[in-house]
Order: sequence, then structure tokens, then C-alpha cells
Amino acid sequence: ILNVEQSPQSLHVQEGDSTNFTCSFPSSNFYALHWYRWETAKSPEALFVMTLNGDEKKKGRISATLNTKEGYSYLYIKGSQPEDSATYLCAFKGWADGLTFGKGTHLIIQP
Amino acid sequence: GAVVSQHPSWVICKSGTSVKIECRSLDFQATTMFWYRQFPKQSLMLMATSNEGSKATYEQGVEKDKFLINHASLTLSTLTVTSAHPEDSSFYICSARPSGGGTQETQYFGPGTRLLVL
Repeated sequence: ILNVEQSPQSLHVQEGDSTNFTCSFPSSNFYALHWYRWETAKSPEALFVMTLNGDEKKKGRISATLNTKEGYSYLYIKGSQPEDSATYLCAFKGWADGLTFGKGTHLIIQP
Repeated sequence: GAVVSQHPSWVICKSGTSVKIECRSLDFQATTMFWYRQFPKQSLMLMATSNEGSKATYEQGVEKDKFLINHASLTLSTLTVTSAHPEDSSFYICSARPSGGGTQETQYFGPGTRLLVL
């Protein structure tokens, strides 16, 4: 059974502050690491697909890094805004076709 | 672009009935679609991988005769929960991977279907 862990489970951040959270995953049989942003009653929105060790990707105020040797990825949000409130999911892709998800980090931005 | 719809968004049914959930890729073709399930406070768990024109591949512990999957076109996969029981109550969500993309490509998700079996 693959183990994908996300921490923290939930996070309250003041508007304007920056924040980050972690995803840890198996370091063997690694193909890709996916990040999604999921707002209630909507479809999970694809943020990043990361494949190479040392990868760093950016989308607006959100960025992510990847360390496949030690099996972790960080997601950073700079200057948090209320619209950033969501659950952030990471998902590991190994040799199998489907994704193995963590439980997510529930982020609440307080005005 | 890359929109996936799912229907219905929620359904309540009596124990013993069958429920069909549709997953459609609206603006792209998807040779491969995936069905996931999420129980309260748990992560999304892969149930099965659906390939257009062939039999679905089920994860260990998922009964193929109970969860029938049909992927008859490049834009539609259906999941039928047969003879549903209260323990099948869950959140079901599908994803689709654009045709021609590699296995590392993004999977695009539908909004999910909440099933409650009474």
C-alpha cells in the first residue's frame, strides 16, 4: 500500500501572509507528483504535474518544489488571498496508471 | 478547456436499486478515465481504470460485478453501482486523461457524485 502524507491537515492563515505545506510520498517507482486545488462543490483544479527531481513550478502566487530522492514536495502560496481558501491535494503516480492521493491540507485564509 | 462533467451530482436511492453515474469529457477526448471513491475523512481512493473499448481494470478489493464500468466512447464513461447497499454510500468522482498524452499527463476531474443509499 502506497503512503502519501500531507501536513498539516488544516491551516489558518491571515490574509497577506505567505504559507507552505508538505506532501511526502514513496521515493521508489516515482513517475510524477500532482498537485490539485479543490474548492467545495467544484472539480479539483490541476495546479502542477512535477516529474524531475529538483523541479520547481510556479503559477501566479503559487509555487511547488519536488525532491524525489527523499520523497517530498512543498507547495508555497505567497501573499495569501481569501480566494486561496481550498483543500490542496497532492497525488503520487508510480508505475500504475491511477493516482494515490493524500488526505489534503485544508487552507482557510482569514481576512 | 479540459472540462469534465459528472451526472448526477447527488442521488438518494433505496437499498437494492442500481445507480448509474456518467462522466463526460466535454472538450477533449479521453482514452483513459478513472473512477475514485472518497469516504468521510479519507483520501480519494482509486476504484478502477477505464479504457475506451476494453474492459476496466479494478483495484484490489473493488468488486467488478458490483461496480460496472462502461467506456464506450472517447468522451463518456459510466459507473453503475448495482444492488446498492448503505455501505456503498460515498462520494464518487471521475477523472479523464486526454488522449495522446503520456501517463504522466494531468488527469482532469469531474465535480463528483454524492450517493446515499437508504
